[in-house]
Amino acid sequence: GDSVTQMEGPVTLSEEAFLTINCTYTATGYPSLFWYVQYPGEGLQLLLKATKADDKGSNKGFEATYRKETTSFHLEKGSVQVSDSAVYFCALNAGGTSYGKLTFGQGTILTVHP
Amino acid sequence: DADVTQTPRNRITKTGKRIMLECSQTKGHDRMYWYRQDPGLGLQLIYYSFDVKDINKGEISDGYSVSRQAQAKFSLSLESAIPNQTALYFCATSTGRQGNTGELFFGEGSRLTVL
Repeated sequence: GDSVTQMEGPVTLSEEAFLTINCTYTATGYPSLFWYVQYPGEGLQLLLKATKADDKGSNKGFEATYRKETTSFHLEKGSVQVSDSAVYFCALNAGGTSYGKLTFGQGTILTVHP
Repeated sequence: DADVTQTPRNRITKTGKRIMLECSQTKGHDRMYWYRQDPGLGLQLIYYSFDVKDINKGEISDGYSVSRQAQAKFSLSLESAIPNQTALYFCATSTGRQGNTGELFFGEGSRLTVL
């Protein structure tokens, strides 16, 4: 079945450090890939997405590139801020009979210190 | 106002009690979902509905039931709550229109504690 694996956390960084959160997936067909962010006490919000191979999603300084050859969708940001502290989820929509349902990774907790 | 609203936001109950979590949306989406979040496990799909007359089980439906009262309303029930159903529950919506990439829009969550 479909699955998403994220790097284990928690991740703790100093402000302005470089961030990478790894995400790999297993799916049949050609999934769409997503990164969601959950700030403390809030629901999940879409951070960025990519719908086909080699697409790059970007938002708020975050980027992720859909790599079909390595089945990966790693999240990166060049300079993190304290306000980026949150839980980050990688997810996929495999389409076909799974259309409309997302499969989530386990989430990675990011804490950024001043 | 939030596009996807969940009530209650927090609930503490006792083992064996019946609990209903409600979700309403103003996004006009036809698809609605209930997910459960446990620490370290991400989100797991409980039930989903692609229209008013359509109800489908997700990965972890045992011990839960749902009702789609209208396009905008989707409720989750625990007929007899047990402690391992203590979790954060999310309602989500999506459009079924052609070209939809599968993006979900989430409510703020309902934290349920079963003692």
